[in-house]
Amino acid sequence: EPEVTQTPSHQVTQMGQEVILRCVPISNHLYFYWYRQILGQKVEFLVSFYNNEISEKSEIFDDQFSVERPDGSNFTLKIRSTKLEDSAMYFCASMGLNNEKLFFGSGTQLSVL
Amino acid sequence: GNSVTQMEGPVTLSEEAFLTINCTYTATGYPSLFWYVQYPGEGLQLLLKATKADDKGSNKGFEATYRKETTSFHLEKGSVQVSDSAVYFCALRVQGAQKLVFGQGTRLTINP
Repeated sequence: EPEVTQTPSHQVTQMGQEVILRCVPISNHLYFYWYRQILGQKVEFLVSFYNNEISEKSEIFDDQFSVERPDGSNFTLKIRSTKLEDSAMYFCASMGLNNEKLFFGSGTQLSVL
Repeated sequence: GNSVTQMEGPVTLSEEAFLTINCTYTATGYPSLFWYVQYPGEGLQLLLKATKADDKGSNKGFEATYRKETTSFHLEKGSVQVSDSAVYFCALRVQGAQKLVFGQGTRLTINP
């Protein structure tokens, strides 16, 4: 079965630094998402992306966050100035045009020190 | 707002035991309901879904029935295996929306 690939699997950064989390969605998919899960809490929606623009975002997705699809295959999440509370597992997901099934990557564990 | 509440984990069972993981939801309108599973080191995978009241989703011996009257979508399996050890997430998607709203996940461990 096709897979969504996320890199790196673990990222450690200092508070205030910028991080970029990378995702390669399934090749013919059109809808892209980022979710995150802080340890012990719910998986939270961050943002959805379709047709090269953000289609929906949550309150968490403030000005410190941005997403990009720079080359037609990668889908990135950038956090400009990380805070301690950004420490979480970040999941990328993609979905095809039939809107049936969301495919998730295995996640990037971000630790902000 | 829309939300999903799952039973607290972790849950530990012996092989061949009966499993229930409770899930209740709050939503506007008539959402679609899902169970996702995350095996160690992997991403979340769709396990089963139901799109309207009284629908039963099933896969790999797991079942869940969409109960509108109790706003529930409890996951059940009659005889669990060690390979079912994973984290299970209940989720909903309201009509017309793309995003999923998840519960907090329930870690299940099956001992041989």
